[in-house]
Amino acid sequence: GEDVEQSLFLSVREGDSSVINCTYTDSSSTYLYWYKQEPGAGLQLLTYIFSNMDMKQDQRLTVLLNKKDKHLSLRIADTQTGDSAIYFCALRSGYALNFGKGTSLLVTP
Amino acid sequence: EPEVTQTPSHQVTQMGQEVILRCVPISNHLYFYWYRQILGQKVEFLVSFYNNEISEKSEIFDDQFSVERPDGSNFTLKIRSTKLEDSAMYFCASSEFGLRNTGELFFGEGSRLTVL
Repeated sequence: GEDVEQSLFLSVREGDSSVINCTYTDSSSTYLYWYKQEPGAGLQLLTYIFSNMDMKQDQRLTVLLNKKDKHLSLRIADTQTGDSAIYFCALRSGYALNFGKGTSLLVTP
Repeated sequence: EPEVTQTPSHQVTQMGQEVILRCVPISNHLYFYWYRQILGQKVEFLVSFYNNEISEKSEIFDDQFSVERPDGSNFTLKIRSTKLEDSAMYFCASSEFGLRNTGELFFGEGSRLTVL
């Protein structure tokens, strides 16, 4: 299956921007997703991007897709302490989603 | 807001025992999934289920695993004879449209399985 890689940890100060990166190997996926997992909770879809787009903005969230480099990123503007969570990059693969290991985002006051 | 619910939240079992994890998907959803996450590892796809049959399964989903929709509301994952390496958080998910369109999956909070 596809290989989806993410860095494991990111720490930012409240009010700064966070950028979470994801690289993947197979470029056939039509949709690419960012899911968020808060402590003790299930995964929640944050946003997604269609593979023919380069960028998608949704309030504080900006998704960038570089198909040539097979690189997906999630930028969170004005990061808040409530944004502390694990963020998963995921790609569609048949009937399934192929997830990365997740990036733990810690937002410090 | 409708949500996917899973029971139990945590189950401890002895190796070789059978375990059934239960899920109640969102009521108008037609596609159901099980994923698992071993501690420190990625979330892995196990199986998808639609129209009362398995639509896709991963290589993890071997003969020890089975899924069932015994009634109109529950969706279960059975592990026949648990192994130590089955210890993981098991997530149930459901979807209205499968992975067509945006393919949003709604996940439950997970059932943590500990095999001793």
